[in-house]
Amino acid sequence: DTGVSQNPRHKITKRGQNVTFRCDPISEHNRLYWYRQTLGQGPEFLTYFQNEAQLEKSRLLSDRFSAERPKGSFSTLEIQRTEQGDSAMYLCASSLPGTGFSPLLFGQGTRLTVV
Amino acid sequence: RKEVEQDPGPFNVPEGATVAFNCTYSNSASQSFFWYRQDCRKEPKLLMSVYSSGNEDGRFTAQLNRASQYISLLIRDSKLSDSATYLCVVGFQGAQKLVFGQGTRLTINP
Repeated sequence: DTGVSQNPRHKITKRGQNVTFRCDPISEHNRLYWYRQTLGQGPEFLTYFQNEAQLEKSRLLSDRFSAERPKGSFSTLEIQRTEQGDSAMYLCASSLPGTGFSPLLFGQGTRLTVV
Repeated sequence: RKEVEQDPGPFNVPEGATVAFNCTYSNSASQSFFWYRQDCRKEPKLLMSVYSSGNEDGRFTAQLNRASQYISLLIRDSKLSDSATYLCVVGFQGAQKLVFGQGTRLTINP
């Protein structure tokens, strides 16, 4: 287990199509985060899982976005009816359990282009 | 007001110079603070955590000022390899999320 793994690395899709991304965190990390990043901006928080429970979800996350972490291991992020504004880098990060925040370790991201 | 704000720069400084960045946060209940570094088209990577008493890691020094709600990063004797975007990150325990600033772009010139 060498780090957080995201697949695919790149995705080009036509507007209106559905896409799904996968994230495999570090095995002992029970916390998992999804972020979205556009050019010139910092990562924007989307959602947070602790084990299989989705504990926080950004109000920016429209109903076209859904994330799951069914067994508390890997996670998927699905975007339905993609729009050009969804084009961005989607980053997954995981961290160790603890009472406070542990530093996040990021995957290399999935770059989505909606044409 | 944004939850976490940084001066986006860009900062262009000569090699060997000292450079400092500030980052302000809006939630006084914030509990965790980090600086990340992001190279072009790469994922963010942890540079250092920021502790209440301030902390140093080689040429890098981080400070926290809770009264004024800002954190700072000081880079001494800057190297060409320090060129990157530096992201300030603040943890809001009640909201269970880590919020990133916009990032400050730094270029070290030979």
